[in-house]
Amino acid sequence: ETGVTQTPRHLVMGMTNKKSLKCEQHLGHNAMYWYKQSAKKPLELMFVYSLEERVENNSVPSRFSPECPNSSHLFLHLHTLQPEDSALYLCASSQDLTGGMNTIYFGEGSWLTVV
Amino acid sequence: AQSVAQPEDQVNVAEGNPLTVKCTYSVSGNPYLFWYVQYPNRGLQFLLKYITGDNLVKGSYGFEAEFNKSQTSFHLKKPSALVSDSALYFCAVRPRGTGANNLFFGTGTRLTVIP
Repeated sequence: ETGVTQTPRHLVMGMTNKKSLKCEQHLGHNAMYWYKQSAKKPLELMFVYSLEERVENNSVPSRFSPECPNSSHLFLHLHTLQPEDSALYLCASSQDLTGGMNTIYFGEGSWLTVV
Repeated sequence: AQSVAQPEDQVNVAEGNPLTVKCTYSVSGNPYLFWYVQYPNRGLQFLLKYITGDNLVKGSYGFEAEFNKSQTSFHLKKPSALVSDSALYFCAVRPRGTGANNLFFGTGTRLTVIP
């Protein structure tokens, strides 16, 4: 148990569907992240939120839309995805963004398959 | 450009033998250094990190890592491997300073401990 909970753990969706991934952290952290993990590639940072404000958007296509309603919750809204978007999506959190020494804690991930 | 190299995709070691998983980095300044482990169908779990001070860092499950500034390396080690250590290991670096939101990850090394 890492303190970061992701739902659903597995999601299969068609290219025309709209779905959402949910993340909740119970660590009292102020920063939250979405990462994408694809086979044979380094983890890719997608979005960073600090105190519910988006501070980084790493050239992610608009078919991925994040939402951070409060410092404990983070969503990734998905629409009109492509098969190459199939991957493990990892949510993470850290105390804050000052200095970079804070450990980033990851959730168990949501396996997404686009058919 | 910032980068992290894990030169070995796969490391095999016999149970009870010492293990080393290698990591070198190319990041400006003196970055913070991290190791994470990923068990099958799970998220990333934090093992240890180097912030400053002693070059030998001790972490979870008996793992340790040695920071070598001149060689820009941060190799993960364990004196005696267990079968349960079999997993995917990721080295990550994070630049110092505010605004350094990203962890740069290597592509991972799969460790197999042979009974």
